[in-house]
Amino acid sequence: SQTIHQWPATLVQPVGSPLSLECTVEGTSNPNLYWYRQAAGRGLQLLFYSVGIGQISSEVPQNLSASRPQDRQFILSSKKLLLSDSGFYLCAWERQSMNTEAFFGQGTRLTVV
Amino acid sequence: AQKVTQAQTEISVVEKEDVTLDCVYETRDTTYYLFWYKQPPSGELVFLIRRNSFDEQNEISGRYSWNFQKSTSSFNFTITASQVVDSAVYFCALRHGDNAGNMLTFGGGTRLMVKP
Repeated sequence: SQTIHQWPATLVQPVGSPLSLECTVEGTSNPNLYWYRQAAGRGLQLLFYSVGIGQISSEVPQNLSASRPQDRQFILSSKKLLLSDSGFYLCAWERQSMNTEAFFGQGTRLTVV
Repeated sequence: AQKVTQAQTEISVVEKEDVTLDCVYETRDTTYYLFWYKQPPSGELVFLIRRNSFDEQNEISGRYSWNFQKSTSSFNFTITASQVVDSAVYFCALRHGDNAGNMLTFGGGTRLMVKP
């Protein structure tokens, strides 16, 4: 069966510090991968998606970047965090070439102080 | 452009009441897919159902049921005899087309509070 792992679960970081959130998927190959952010009490905002290694599409220009160094690994990064980067970050995967549902990780709650 | 609207931002019911969460969508595609997800307090989004645009049959799964009506562009979700464990934020989502990599468009979510 397929599983998705996302870590860390919670993170408190000072303004101006770097960020690295990691997401890995097991039990499947060549998945589509996504990063979403959810601000407190609000809906989901798509940040990045990837259909293959090294292929990243950004939906919203901001202080974040994403990379996919391996087929089942998706990393969300920032060189210098802003207060506005606080939120709940969710990674998701889905099978390619089929319009199936996306499966989400458990999320990372990031607080920038 | 596609859009999903969940007009109810918050609903509060007493346990055992039935509750319907509304979802209205907009798309120009003839082929599309609709989804419902549940986000419990733990934060993870849990997939509930997927429905394609060519299948208007309503579906029932235990206490959950879904009513898909293309004529009104709605995909409503009903919980029968609600329970405290149903308390969560529920998201409706839409994906258009048949190509891989088409992103999900989410509604703003409806927070359901079921009180004992």
